[in-house]
Parts: sequence; structure tokens; C-alpha cells
Amino acid sequence: DTGVSQDPRHKITKRGQNVTFRCDPISEHNRLYWYRQTLGQGPEFLTYFQNEAQLEKSRLLSDRFSAERPKGSFSTLEIQRTEQGDSAMYLCASSPTAYQGAQYFGPGTRLLVL
Amino acid sequence: RKEVEQDPGPFNVPEGATVAFNCTYSNSASQSFFWYRQDCRKEPKLLMSVYSSGNEDGRFTAQLNRASQYISLLIRDSKLSDSATYLCVVTPGTYKYIFGTGTRLKVLA
Repeated sequence: DTGVSQDPRHKITKRGQNVTFRCDPISEHNRLYWYRQTLGQGPEFLTYFQNEAQLEKSRLLSDRFSAERPKGSFSTLEIQRTEQGDSAMYLCASSPTAYQGAQYFGPGTRLLVL
Repeated sequence: RKEVEQDPGPFNVPEGATVAFNCTYSNSASQSFFWYRQDCRKEPKLLMSVYSSGNEDGRFTAQLNRASQYISLLIRDSKLSDSATYLCVVTPGTYKYIFGTGTRLKVLA
């Protein structure tokens, strides 16, 4: 399967715990995005990488959130000291750089903070 | 004003009906436009890109009106399997993608 993959698909954690999600983009895509989506809303932009460089981070992303893409391939999103308000679907998407083409999404990680 | 606005619906239509959704955007410099389909608890999937001249893919037709800053999606001969949320996406800059909140469609037997 050459699509975007995400791991884990589901995560249940207790408030205050740290969680880390992984995204593997389509291999030839240089751009990688993280989004958060809650019920009834469209995906909200969190952060964007071009290769290994994190070029933008949304104001939605508090200091508890950090993302990396160390070798310009897979990316991780870490949430420290989780809060109940962090419960959402976390989506990763990738796109090619050459033109403003469509994004392709992974299946998402559904996070529930108890 | 939101950057991208959609009527959340739901649009309840009988099988075989034609249904149309609009999506308005605020940034006149927006360059690329897309429609995505999202099924319940799944990821968004690209339905079609929207070209300036309009484009068609089977029962689906997308159009762009730059003067009035909206895009539209027309679905003909609706099928039960078309029931989903349809997300409008606009790119106002070189890498940003702005999503609407989506329009829910339910096709009834």
C-alpha cells in the first residue's frame, strides 16, 4: 500500500499522560501536514513540514504539542500532559511540492482522553 | 467572516435526485480548489479538483466562479452510496489548505 499511513489508529489515555502519533506519508511527497478534526468540523491545520523543516505551526498548537520530521520522511506528533479537550481525530496528509496539488490523507488517529 | 464557508446541511434527497452544494471563499487570491468526501469516522478522500473551466467526473460536476468567489458541486442521479459529508478546500497561498466545515448529504431510498 503506497498511501499515507498512521499509527496507532486509536488511542485511549488518561488526562496528564503523554501520547505520540506517527505518520508515514506517500514516499515521493515532500509536504506533510497535521490536522485536528472534531465532530461536525472540517480538519483544522496544526502544522506543516516541507522535507524536514517545520515551516508553520498553528496558534491552535499549544506548547504541549510538538511535531518532528527528522529525516524528511515520517513524522511524529507528540502531545504532553493530555487534556480532555485534546480528544479528537488527528489526521496526517501529504502532497507533492511541485504544484498546489491535492492532499492525500491517512486514516487518522482517534484520541480519547479520559 | 470565515475563510471558507459551507452550508452544513443536512441535505436529505431521494435516490435519483440532483443536488448541488456551494462553497464560498474570502481570499480572492486563492489558487486551487478541491472537493473531498468524508464518510463517518473516516479520513477525507479527494473527490475532484475544481478547474477554472469547470470539470465533470461521471455524475459529479464541479464549477468555479472567481468573480463571486464560490465553487459548486453538482451530483446527478444520487445514489445511496453518495451519503457522506462533502468538504470544500481552498488554497489561499503556496502551501496552505483551508477546509470548510462540510455539507452533509443523506440520500434516501
